[in-house]
Amino acid sequence: EIVLTQSPGTLSLSPGERATLSCRASQSVSGNYLAWYQQKPGQAPRLLIYGASSRATGIPDRFSGSGSGTDFTLTISRLGPEDFAVYYCQQYGNARGTFGQGTKVEIK
Amino acid sequence: QVQLVESGGGVVQPGRSLRLSCAASGFTFSSYAMHWVRQAPGKGLEWVAVISYDGTYKYNADSVKGRFTISRDSSKNTLYLQMNSLRAEDTAVYYCARDYMNAFDIWGQGTVVTVSS
Repeated sequence: EIVLTQSPGTLSLSPGERATLSCRASQSVSGNYLAWYQQKPGQAPRLLIYGASSRATGIPDRFSGSGSGTDFTLTISRLGPEDFAVYYCQQYGNARGTFGQGTKVEIK
Repeated sequence: QVQLVESGGGVVQPGRSLRLSCAASGFTFSSYAMHWVRQAPGKGLEWVAVISYDGTYKYNADSVKGRFTISRDSSKNTLYLQMNSLRAEDTAVYYCARDYMNAFDIWGQGTVVTVSS
């Protein structure tokens, strides 16, 4: 099973700042099928990025994903007030899905 | 519009069974693989199970293997999760989600399962 480790655990930033979130896999992610989700309290997760770098439908272009193999990054170029939430990375391969433990982006 | 609606959650005693349902609408259900994902109170997301678009392959997480069974009825546009031998650690919000490029692009609102005596 591929273990995904996200860092940092918490990111304290101000609106308008740039956020950089990391996701490291214990082994290479098959086909770079790495996704990122945003989750707010009491809500279901929302897909932001799939295939490491493709934005999902309706996702603003301030969200971007990059990386390959075992190291992946989600970047939010300028944080809006609605972007403060928990972010998860996820992979699915070899009949197993796994999520990272999450990064909380909080208002500084 | 594209929608998934879960139902069937509730409070159940340890060792008992529960079946969750997920009703799909707004898309061709029989064309997509589907997943169950859960989230324990205050915790992160945990992948639970997957079923292929035609039901021919199914896989579970090790934590539920031998106890949970995923299935689908495309005539009813419905996904199921049969949960047997429930444990306290199965307490969570259970989400169904549609597969897109090995990601989960559509999620239901979740149904709460509480395992407690």
